[in-house]
Amino acid sequence: AQSVTQLGSHVSVSEGALVLLRCNYSSSVPPYLFWYVQYPNQGLQLLLKYTTGATLVKGINGFEAEFKKSETSFHLTKPSAHMSDAAEYFCAVSNTGGFKTIFGAGTRLFVKA
Amino acid sequence: GAVVSQHPSWVICKSGTSVKIECRSLDFQATTMFWYRQFPKQSLMLMATSNEGSKATYEQGVEKDKFLINHASLTLSTLTVTSAHPEDSSFYICSAPGTGPSSYNSPLHFGNGTRLTVT
Repeated sequence: AQSVTQLGSHVSVSEGALVLLRCNYSSSVPPYLFWYVQYPNQGLQLLLKYTTGATLVKGINGFEAEFKKSETSFHLTKPSAHMSDAAEYFCAVSNTGGFKTIFGAGTRLFVKA
Repeated sequence: GAVVSQHPSWVICKSGTSVKIECRSLDFQATTMFWYRQFPKQSLMLMATSNEGSKATYEQGVEKDKFLINHASLTLSTLTVTSAHPEDSSFYICSAPGTGPSSYNSPLHFGNGTRLTVT
């Protein structure tokens, strides 16, 4: 079985500060990992994904994440937060035997001016 | 890029009536679509997997007679909430996996969701 744990339901940073959203996963097979962002009353948009290859993946809007197998982590970072980054972020792992995707509980990012 | 269109974006209905939500893949074919329900400030809960040309697969605890899913074509899946009650009020989101040689590890493309309010 696969699962995703996002540490911290809320994260607050100042504009220009580092953003770090934590995600740990559990998977009995090599995982495929994703980060999605959700703005109010909208669906989810893909930020980035890890499938195979390079463990540091870059996504849209300056976000990146590093897959660390030894730590079973896939934390999302951005060097400098922008007000427009305020949103809900979901880490997800997919079932390689099919299309079922398991989502974490989400982390709401607040950006202070 | 792949676009999923969901309609309506919001709907208000009276208790006891039925509501249909449509999910369309606009520029690609989707043999599989997923329906999620999201409660306020919570994660997405997978309700069912919609399969073109066959019956939907429902997750445990989801009433298949209440949440009717029809995947009539490669670009359209519908979710009908039958005899809606206030507790069915929620945000419903559909998604479809990407296509291509490695579609099994492709990200999901999401509709913009439907806010259902049952009065």
